[in-house]
Amino acid sequence: QQQVKQSPQSLIVQKGGISIINCAYENTAFDYFPWYQQFPGKGPALLIAIRPDVSEKKEGRFTISFNKSAKQFSLHIMDSQPGDSATYFCAASGTGGFKTIFGAGTRLFVKA
Amino acid sequence: SAVISQKPSRDICQRGTSLTIQCQVDSQVTMMFWYRQQPGQSLTLIATANQGSEATYESGFVIDKFPISRPNLTFSTLTVSNMSPEDSSIYLCSVRRSTNEQYFGPGTRLTVT
Repeated sequence: QQQVKQSPQSLIVQKGGISIINCAYENTAFDYFPWYQQFPGKGPALLIAIRPDVSEKKEGRFTISFNKSAKQFSLHIMDSQPGDSATYFCAASGTGGFKTIFGAGTRLFVKA
Repeated sequence: SAVISQKPSRDICQRGTSLTIQCQVDSQVTMMFWYRQQPGQSLTLIATANQGSEATYESGFVIDKFPISRPNLTFSTLTVSNMSPEDSSIYLCSVRRSTNEQYFGPGTRLTVT
């Protein structure tokens, strides 16, 4: 199966809190899992990505946790800020010509 | 990374006309794509723009409606033909590196009246 299921659809977090967005995939041939951040009127920007040989990747306040056996991965935004308010998309792709499959997106709103 | 520019950034077009969107990348890339994004929705792949050959279209998209050119490894165009209000959307150019990193242009916001 080619789907990537993303949840929640929307998320409201207080400033300074942790934002958590979850994704699940089915195709075990996927070997690259990026997250994109999109602000209104802009194209999606590559935020952080992980490959299945590691269980966690951290870049600043953004962390991807990856569970290969469960076929799940999540984005954690620590110390969430109002400037993080955007739509976040998870995705999955792979070598060998696999197309990138995108999740449905999560609208994050960080309250000041 | 990759720096991608698109022209125009937005346009308002009349029903029945055509619009050509240009995509320019700052470096050579093998894989280039065109996506459509409806407001509040995820990204839908229209086609893969192949250099030197015909584009590969996804289910639901046809060449007569969305002709694509890819004359070299840094440039592509997407034409939205015989437009109807249902074609109102954001059209995004995207490139993918051999490392699987994929980047998007700023998008072209199209409104068909």
